[in-house]
Amino acid sequence: SQQGEEDPQALSIQEGENATMNCSYKTSINNLQWYRQNSGRGLVHLILIRSNEREKHSGRLRVTLDTSKKSSSLLITASRAADTASYFCATDEAGGFKTIFGAGTRLFVKA
Amino acid sequence: KAGVTQTPRYLIKTRGQQVTLSCSPISGHRSVSWYQQTPGQGLQFLFEYFSETQRNKGNFPGRFSGRQFSNSRSEMNVSTLELGDSALYLCASTAQIGLNTEAFFGQGTRLTVV
Repeated sequence: SQQGEEDPQALSIQEGENATMNCSYKTSINNLQWYRQNSGRGLVHLILIRSNEREKHSGRLRVTLDTSKKSSSLLITASRAADTASYFCATDEAGGFKTIFGAGTRLFVKA
Repeated sequence: KAGVTQTPRYLIKTRGQQVTLSCSPISGHRSVSWYQQTPGQGLQFLFEYFSETQRNKGNFPGRFSGRQFSNSRSEMNVSTLELGDSALYLCASTAQIGLNTEAFFGQGTRLTVV
């Protein structure tokens, strides 16, 4: 099974609303990253949070990390139609680069 | 700085054939990872190369192989193609920043096996 598992699988909201996506993982990590993917294209790196950090902000993005629960959340505030995409979390395992991705959350923002 | 370049962008192959995909990482990046993305399975890690050596490998059959050249460019080969190999293949070039790595992805190669 996947290391990172996003929840929910799909999310549909109105423009201006906030969107929250969650990610759970299984093993100890060095960091956790969130990526966005527009339909059928490459992944774009959004934000990286280290294992010793609890919260990080970048523009309209807010990421939290709870290593005791092995979970992370991505909050997109004041969503826009352009935020419509799939969002993936990825964890960086220790001992070399082997980033494990979840299946992603598909976000649809209605104008 | 140029990004990660994958070629070709689209490919159609017949079952039983073989295919080679190419990835040029960001200049200075020595690590390249490959992923397969399908609607049903999400993103699956294939393998990672660092300084021409395979450093990590995912759970894929031996039909999937790769290599990395001295200039860090990497190729991925799939032999005896099956219909289920149809997917978006993504390559990531990674940078080590302290203890952390950050991945930069190419646009992918969409492979269709007919």
